[in-house]
Amino acid sequence: GQQLNQSPQSMFIQEGEDVSMNCTSSSIFNTWLWYKQDPGEGPVLLIALYKAGELTSNGRLTAQFGITRKDSFLNISASIPSDVGIYFCAANAGGTSYGKLTFGQGTILTVHP
Amino acid sequence: EAGVAQSPRYKIIEKRQSVAFWCNPISGHATLYWYQQILGQGPKLLIQFQNNGVVDDSQLPKDRFSAERLKGVDSTLKIQPAKLEDSAVYLCAGSNKSSGANVLTFGAGSRLTVL
Repeated sequence: GQQLNQSPQSMFIQEGEDVSMNCTSSSIFNTWLWYKQDPGEGPVLLIALYKAGELTSNGRLTAQFGITRKDSFLNISASIPSDVGIYFCAANAGGTSYGKLTFGQGTILTVHP
Repeated sequence: EAGVAQSPRYKIIEKRQSVAFWCNPISGHATLYWYQQILGQGPKLLIQFQNNGVVDDSQLPKDRFSAERLKGVDSTLKIQPAKLEDSAVYLCAGSNKSSGANVLTFGAGSRLTVL
């Protein structure tokens, strides 16, 4: 089946540093999304990407939809303590898989003040 | 706008017992999903409803799991009998075409522990 390989699995950084994480697959996807999950909560959408090559920002977050449609990355600039959490990439193949998301394994982010 | 409501938030049962989870998505979200999230993993789709009809239940272990959305609004997911490997967070999500078909809004989840 379709799988998303997300890396790194975890990151420990100092407040103020930039962060980069990515997601790759052997399958082609039509939509890439990045979610953040805090402890005891459900995933919350950060950024949605709909076109190959698309680069989208949301405040200090920037994400790109890879040209090959098989990968995506998320950058966080000038990290702050509230950035702590688990970040998931998710993707949809389009067509008959309308609404069905495949998720990566997650990147655990820890920010030291 | 109220968020996705799920209950109970936590449930502890012994193996072979049954459990039911309830979800009420955001008003107007015609598509409803149940995802299973095992500790340390990303969510995995169990079942997708469009209004009161099942769109995809190919990943639902039908020998023990069942789900319904009779009136096309709220939904119930049942597990009977539960196994140890069913310990997970069960996430409900909704979407509609105006917000983007693949943009899902999740509830906080129901955490199940099977002893």
